[in-house]
Amino acid sequence: DSGVTQTPKHLITATGQRVTLRCSPRSGDLSVYWYQQSLDQGLQFLIQYYNGEERAKGNILERFSAQQFPDLHSELNLSSLELGDSALYFCASSDGTSGGRRSTDTQYFGPGTRLTVL
Amino acid sequence: GQQLNQSPQSMFIQEGEDVSMNCTSSSIFNTWLWYKQDPGEGPVLLIALYKAGELTSNGRLTAQFGITRKDSFLNISASIPSDVGIYFCAGQLPGTYKYIFGTGTRLKVLA
Repeated sequence: DSGVTQTPKHLITATGQRVTLRCSPRSGDLSVYWYQQSLDQGLQFLIQYYNGEERAKGNILERFSAQQFPDLHSELNLSSLELGDSALYFCASSDGTSGGRRSTDTQYFGPGTRLTVL
Repeated sequence: GQQLNQSPQSMFIQEGEDVSMNCTSSSIFNTWLWYKQDPGEGPVLLIALYKAGELTSNGRLTAQFGITRKDSFLNISASIPSDVGIYFCAGQLPGTYKYIFGTGTRLKVLA
């Protein structure tokens, strides 16, 4: 158990709908990352938050947005869903403070949310 | 953009054999991480490497951070059936908090 929790585990919805995925980082971690993994594909970095603020952006579509709340949990919002958005969505967390202590950048992954768009 | 080439893409081996896989890039990385992912699960961190030339072991697993900082390898000794899964490398881009992931090595162990 990595200490990172994600809900829901599975989500089935229809095209055009909007969903929200939730992530709680490991205790003490300030940084949250979101990744998308399509079938038999690698992990595509979407976005990173650190202590409530966006820190890095990857290949995130404009239909997707995220935020990190004061209690450090994060939500990934996916709207106007398309069939191609079906994938596993992972959240990872790290201490994120770095400052030369690189071990604090090591990411620990949650179990993922499997999104199926019909 | 930066890419990580991970090889082999897949491999079948006999139980008890040693396995070697690697990641290479044209870019330099500050940190290398190796993960194992079981079907439908999140990646689990196996080994983290923070310094060029560093060699680190975790049980039957050994990984090294290449001297050029552009590559890393992972060895698994005396493989067992539960080693089955997909192994990913990830490299941290210098000056950023961003990681690039390799495409994965799918390992199957034949008993």
